[in-house]
Amino acid sequence: SQQGEEDPQALSIQEGENATMNCSYKTSINNLQWYRQNSGRGLVHLILIRSNEREKHSGRLRVTLDTSKKSSSLLITASRAADTASYFCATDAGRNQGGKLIFGQGTELSVKP
Amino acid sequence: KAGVTQTPRYLIKTRGQQVTLSCSPISGHRSVSWYQQTPGQGLQFLFEYFSETQRNKGNFPGRFSGRQFSNSRSEMNVSTLELGDSALYLCASSPGLAVYEQYFGPGTRLTVT
Repeated sequence: SQQGEEDPQALSIQEGENATMNCSYKTSINNLQWYRQNSGRGLVHLILIRSNEREKHSGRLRVTLDTSKKSSSLLITASRAADTASYFCATDAGRNQGGKLIFGQGTELSVKP
Repeated sequence: KAGVTQTPRYLIKTRGQQVTLSCSPISGHRSVSWYQQTPGQGLQFLFEYFSETQRNKGNFPGRFSGRQFSNSRSEMNVSTLELGDSALYLCASSPGLAVYEQYFGPGTRLTVT
């Protein structure tokens, strides 16, 4: 079963604009991760934010985490056509669940040149 | 380091047959997880192996099984294939027991006819 929802399901923007994707989850977590997937290929890890962190940056990526609202957002600044992909949030499954990740349904981002 | 490799990349099978998929993790990684991705259900956790032991299993029927070898390579097997087993099967590896970022392979696209 899915941990939560991602919003929006699809997003279309022009190159140079910012893209914001949101993720909500249902249970307490230790960390939340964001992954990118290009057209039915494998997932690429983007960033991991721990439950005691509120914000994290990596290059053009900015992730926020609000554990009180059980939500996270991914901001991609100055988007490029190469950012076109599906973006997934993933949370750990809880104590004693090892490396099991629970993924959201994903946001399909299209960046037009 | 070489990334996660999966073989074969594409597979077409007939209902009732069985299939074995293979995954070689990144060198030094001891944890291997498998996920099924379909348009309807999204990314769903199948199982995780660490040091040849299954640590966690998702909510899939017993037709889905896996194993890990002493060199950390992993295989998953699906017996008595059904049309609904058509999916992208993704393997991911991570260094150890904690929930680190996971490194995904390109996937095996299985089509059941």
